[in-house]
Amino acid sequence: GAGVSQSPSNKVTEKGKDVELRCDPISGHTALYWYRQSLGQGLEFLIYFQGNSAPDKSGLPSDRFSAERTGGSVSTLTIQRTQQEDSAVYLCASRSKSGSSYNEQFFGPGTRLTVL
Amino acid sequence: GENVEQHPSTLSVQEGDSAVIKCTYSDSASNYFPWYKQELGKRPQLIIDIRSNVGEKKDQRIAVTLNKTAKHFSLHITETQPEDSAVYFCAANRGSQGNLIFGKGTKLSVKP
Repeated sequence: GAGVSQSPSNKVTEKGKDVELRCDPISGHTALYWYRQSLGQGLEFLIYFQGNSAPDKSGLPSDRFSAERTGGSVSTLTIQRTQQEDSAVYLCASRSKSGSSYNEQFFGPGTRLTVL
Repeated sequence: GENVEQHPSTLSVQEGDSAVIKCTYSDSASNYFPWYKQELGKRPQLIIDIRSNVGEKKDQRIAVTLNKTAKHFSLHITETQPEDSAVYFCAANRGSQGNLIFGKGTKLSVKP
């Protein structure tokens, strides 16, 4: 079946502009995560959605970052007034809440954001 | 806050040798410890995971050990091959929640 997809694959923007990154999780997965991976670094947790519960926003680095998940499926990560330090690969992952792969997170290909 | 430390940051081995990567975690409520492999320009992919009710798990050339008392877990790759070259990330779940805290990664190079 289809895996996690993200769009765009690459985004180049100017400092100060807003950007929207999209994630389509695996169908039926109730949990969705956003991570950020800076060049040569590990994965930094940003935000977590689980079903209809309030999202865990504890990883968002500033109030310029926000995310929505509409209808329990597609998610959009928005970065307002982008800064050069926002340049990174933004990865989305989804997880089933049942079955043998209960804990496994499946990652999308990422969106590479470059802020000039 | 919760933290996962991973060592070494780089590891170079000869083909056929073993490779060991070690991680420690701080959250005593963590009960799930996956290892992800990320090839250059690709997405992270799960290679093996372990839950806190077991001490060791093996899958062909890959094994993971967990010492919950010491809050240590390790990845062991035997008979390494050039295609094992990648960045490996350990992670621990944050308490009972699903989000993962990742280590900073180990770049493994296997020389033919």
